[in-house]
Amino acid sequence: QVTLKESGPGILQPSHTLSLTCSFSGFSLSTYGMGVSWIRQPSGKGLEWLASIWWNGNTYNNPSLKSRLTVSKDTSNNQAFLKVTSVDTADTATYYCAHTFYNNYDYWGQGVMVTVSS
Amino acid sequence: IQLTQSPSLLSASVGDRVTLSCKGSQNINNYLAWYQQKLGEAPKLLIYNTNSLQTGIPSRFSGSGSGTDYTLTISSLQPEDVATYFCYQYNNGLTFGSGTKLEIK
Repeated sequence: QVTLKESGPGILQPSHTLSLTCSFSGFSLSTYGMGVSWIRQPSGKGLEWLASIWWNGNTYNNPSLKSRLTVSKDTSNNQAFLKVTSVDTADTATYYCAHTFYNNYDYWGQGVMVTVSS
Repeated sequence: IQLTQSPSLLSASVGDRVTLSCKGSQNINNYLAWYQQKLGEAPKLLIYNTNSLQTGIPSRFSGSGSGTDYTLTISSLQPEDVATYFCYQYNNGLTFGSGTKLEIK
């Protein structure tokens, strides 16, 4: 059974760096074809793909945020990570991690709310 | 690729056949999926590759389309289908549509 769970700071100040962790079970990020993606959703709004990391270590970032995003993984501990630098209020959202297979998101975490506020 | 969903809000009766539309700004080459998001929940994958039903999804959901125009159809609307539906393309970049909110009349 595949499960994922996001964790993060809840609230942080503008200009700081957001660090999120996705802890998962039921699959390995060292298995061919497996990936974990990060997607966010401001309250009451749509979905935005942020970044993906694959079994082979390849990473892909949303071009609109590319320089601010870093995605990484710890295969041994079944975790994936997302860092977003220089946050501002526009980064306030629920952040999801999702198991990714052929660029589709078939299992999702429950999401973690992140508020950027001074 | 930008995705335009219509309508943004759809009200229908239980048992109705419901059709949601998603139009791309460029050819999507059938790399189109549909996600359902109920209030307070994470999205759920319904359909991928235009018309492939994800495991465990009821057969009343179906997808079709080609080129730039795609459709999600619910053959007989059920109360538990109240949700917002997002289309998503993975042909050129990865982008979601803005969503169609489906409610029961």
